[in-house]
Amino acid sequence: QKEVEQDPGPLSVPEGAIVSLNCTYSNSAFQYFMWYRQYSRKGPELLMYTYSSGNKEDGRFTAQVDKSSKYISLFIRDSQPSDSATYLCAMKNSNSGYALNFGKGTSLLVTP
Amino acid sequence: GAVVSQHPSWVICKSGTSVKIECRSLDFQATTMFWYRQFPKQSLMLMATSNEGSKATYEQGVEKDKFLINHASLTLSTLTVTSAHPEDSSFYICSATPGTAWREQFFGPGTRLTVL
Repeated sequence: QKEVEQDPGPLSVPEGAIVSLNCTYSNSAFQYFMWYRQYSRKGPELLMYTYSSGNKEDGRFTAQVDKSSKYISLFIRDSQPSDSATYLCAMKNSNSGYALNFGKGTSLLVTP
Repeated sequence: GAVVSQHPSWVICKSGTSVKIECRSLDFQATTMFWYRQFPKQSLMLMATSNEGSKATYEQGVEKDKFLINHASLTLSTLTVTSAHPEDSSFYICSATPGTAWREQFFGPGTRLTVL
């Protein structure tokens, strides 16, 4: 079993829709949970990160972590065509330094 | 934000040849650089971690004699795939950090390697 599972999609939604992106994981030692956004031909950029369980909101983006279910989510409200990208979840434990465990990434297309 | 570049963005080579990929931090000094590999429809997998002026640390299962990493300066790391074979065809992506915090890890745009 992979440590981090993420449905690669593609996911296509109309502009203005609420998007839900999810990852599951198996390693209970993970403490930090990140979402990266990657545009075509660009490197991943950190969108949001959360420590342990709970929610974090930043503008139209909300990250949720449920450690009891080993499940994390990223919600995008009022989605825009400019949100079209690949979204990667990543996780790490407290002792792993910079080493990140990535999901496969979900390709999102927001159509006008 | 901080910018990391990679060169080339795409390379095709014949089996048995060696290929060098460069990773540069353009506007900061990178104490540590990382090399990842991503096969189609798979996750980004960390291959190795390199600190300027010292030998790279390779992840389990990565052949250090096949994937040579040189981090000669605070702005440049190179990955050389020696005697490349078709199974080495992949997307190679580097990241770099100024060493201030784990979340300050900035990624390059990646290099697509195709070995014929």
